[in-house]
Amino acid sequence: QKEVEQDPGPLSVPEGAIVSLNCTYSNSAFQYFMWYRQYSRKGPELLMYTYSSGNKEDGRFTAQVDKSSKYISLFIRDSQPSDSATYLCAMSGFTGGTSYGKLTFGQGTILTVHP
Amino acid sequence: KAGVTQTPRYLIKTRGQQVTLSCSPISGHRSVSWYQQTPGQGLQFLFEYFSETQRNKGNFPGRFSGRQFSNSRSEMNVSTLELGDSALYLCASSLRDRGSSGNTIYFGEGSWLTVV
Repeated sequence: QKEVEQDPGPLSVPEGAIVSLNCTYSNSAFQYFMWYRQYSRKGPELLMYTYSSGNKEDGRFTAQVDKSSKYISLFIRDSQPSDSATYLCAMSGFTGGTSYGKLTFGQGTILTVHP
Repeated sequence: KAGVTQTPRYLIKTRGQQVTLSCSPISGHRSVSWYQQTPGQGLQFLFEYFSETQRNKGNFPGRFSGRQFSNSRSEMNVSTLELGDSALYLCASSLRDRGSSGNTIYFGEGSWLTVV
């Protein structure tokens, strides 16, 4: 079983919809949680960064972390065609010598927002 | 402020050859890490460097190696290339060291390697 599980989709929604993306994880040592957006043939772009549990909002994006359930979410409000991309969750922590610099990624969810 | 810069962007190599990829981190960032991305395995951690020292290594064979220079620039090398090494190789940089309270990691555009 993978440390981080993410539904690969694909997910197709109409413009203006609210999108919910989720990841579950098994390693309780994870403390930093990130969401990246990756367009085709580009590098991952950092969208949201959260430390420990709680919510964080940035414009149309909201990230939620529930460490008790080992579950993180990314919500996109008023989705736009330009949001069409692959969304990757990523996590890190300090476990037995492993540095924070090592990210463990989910498989990525392919999102298409159609006009 | 310039982002993470990787060169070359695209390259084609033959089985058995070796390849060296280069990464310049964001100015002021001292931690550099490398990842391999393939359709089947997704993004997988290769190794991380801080102050010219390898801090952590992923589960890859010894054919994959790296180093970091005093100016924080980094290179990774893959020797005796195999077809399965075809992938997008991503470099990432961050400001913080392990144990610090923050660790925001930024990625470059990657180097696309095709092994034929």
